Amino acid sequence: EAQVTQNPRYLITVTGKKLTVTCSQNMNHEYMSWYRQDPGLGLRQIYYSMNVEVTDKGDVPEGYKVSRKEKRNFPLILESPSPNQTSLYFCASSTYAGTSGYEQYFGPGTRLTVT
Amino acid sequence: SQQGEEDPQALSIQEGENATMNCSYKTSINNLQWYRQNSGRGLVHLILIRSNEREKHSGRLRVTLDTSKKSSSLLITASRAADTASYFCALTQSNQGGKLIFGQGTELSVKP
Repeated sequence: EAQVTQNPRYLITVTGKKLTVTCSQNMNHEYMSWYRQDPGLGLRQIYYSMNVEVTDKGDVPEGYKVSRKEKRNFPLILESPSPNQTSLYFCASSTYAGTSGYEQYFGPGTRLTVT
Repeated sequence: SQQGEEDPQALSIQEGENATMNCSYKTSINNLQWYRQNSGRGLVHLILIRSNEREKHSGRLRVTLDTSKKSSSLLITASRAADTASYFCALTQSNQGGKLIFGQGTELSVKP
């Protein structure tokens, strides 16, 4: 089954404790991205990757890191989480977007609470 | 704002009625997509319409795009309680390498 998986699905942590949210897709997609969703602000892109070892900042990259060492995986790293990073996070993947754009497949989401 | 702006923010209808949601934007686009999100869950792609297309259908969904007015609409016909969800439009802009820019969404409630 074609899917994007994220782990963990729920996480409560404390300020400053490094964490990683994993994302994996089994569709051989080139393009992967991370979004956060906050009430009243919609979905905002954090980082994206057009292929292995190619990553770039989205609209709200501060406080986040990513890596793309393998095509299927795109982990999101919070080196020193803060309460303003409490949010619902989604990973998504698609065939290389280019300038045409393709439908994106979303993971189930990770609800992160930072206290 | 570059994002799509959706209207209405919330819509409540009875089962069997049609639901229409609108999305307006300000910049030129390559395509526009509609996604659905059940409460707290991942988004599911519904339909993609390219800038040179005016209308697309998929089952009970009909999407129109008017690039001169910079607007799109999503029509769900004969709605069902299971259609209750949030619906988002997402733009792919010409100069943004395929990046999706999401609107804030319309919350649809279909009452049985």
